[in-house]
Amino acid sequence: AQKVTQAQTEISVVEKEDVTLDCVYETRDTTYYLFWYKQPPSGELVFLIRRNSFDEQNEISGRYSWNFQKSTSSFNFTITASQVVDSAVYFCALSEANFGNEKLTFGTGTRLTIIP
Amino acid sequence: DAGVTQSPTHLIKTRGQQVTLRCSPISGHKSVSWYQQVLGQGPQFIFQYYEKEERGRGNFPDRFSARQFPNYSSELNVNALLLGDSALYLCASSLGVQETQYFGPGTRLLVL
Repeated sequence: AQKVTQAQTEISVVEKEDVTLDCVYETRDTTYYLFWYKQPPSGELVFLIRRNSFDEQNEISGRYSWNFQKSTSSFNFTITASQVVDSAVYFCALSEANFGNEKLTFGTGTRLTIIP
Repeated sequence: DAGVTQSPTHLIKTRGQQVTLRCSPISGHKSVSWYQQVLGQGPQFIFQYYEKEERGRGNFPDRFSARQFPNYSSELNVNALLLGDSALYLCASSLGVQETQYFGPGTRLLVL
């Protein structure tokens, strides 16, 4: 069975600091996808990134970067120079490449608060 | 382009009642998935539909059912509501079964 663990329940940092959100996953499949979603207070989940298990290259998008390490089954998310607008709950998710469907398994989320 | 839309935004029901939640996918998307998010938890998968056929079902009782229409919109039905059904119900759409899912704003259901 697949599982996603986000050990950090809540994180608070002062604006402009860098912050890393941890994600550890478990799966028996060799082909799978990893995701990060942002959930602001409005409740809607906002898609941030999708990576497949064969692509371990780190990715950078503006102030966001992601570090994927298969050796440690981790897919960590770093926000550089944090801003108040980054305050939200962030979810890491996993889906296995089962052709039948793409069920997302989510972690319990990390609540990030950026203090102005 | 319009994103995923859901209706209603909020709903209050009493135990034992039935509820129907609606979802319209992003234009061109043929797959719709439903998730339940209890306060303080991550979303839990309920159903995925593609081309009107059920493609996956999560660990939910038979009180939960869904369907997808020819225009790819979807309804989630929950019968015999329990207090524990109080949650945010999220709908997500994707181009196909193995594509990225984009979520709607959700329906907040409160069961009293």
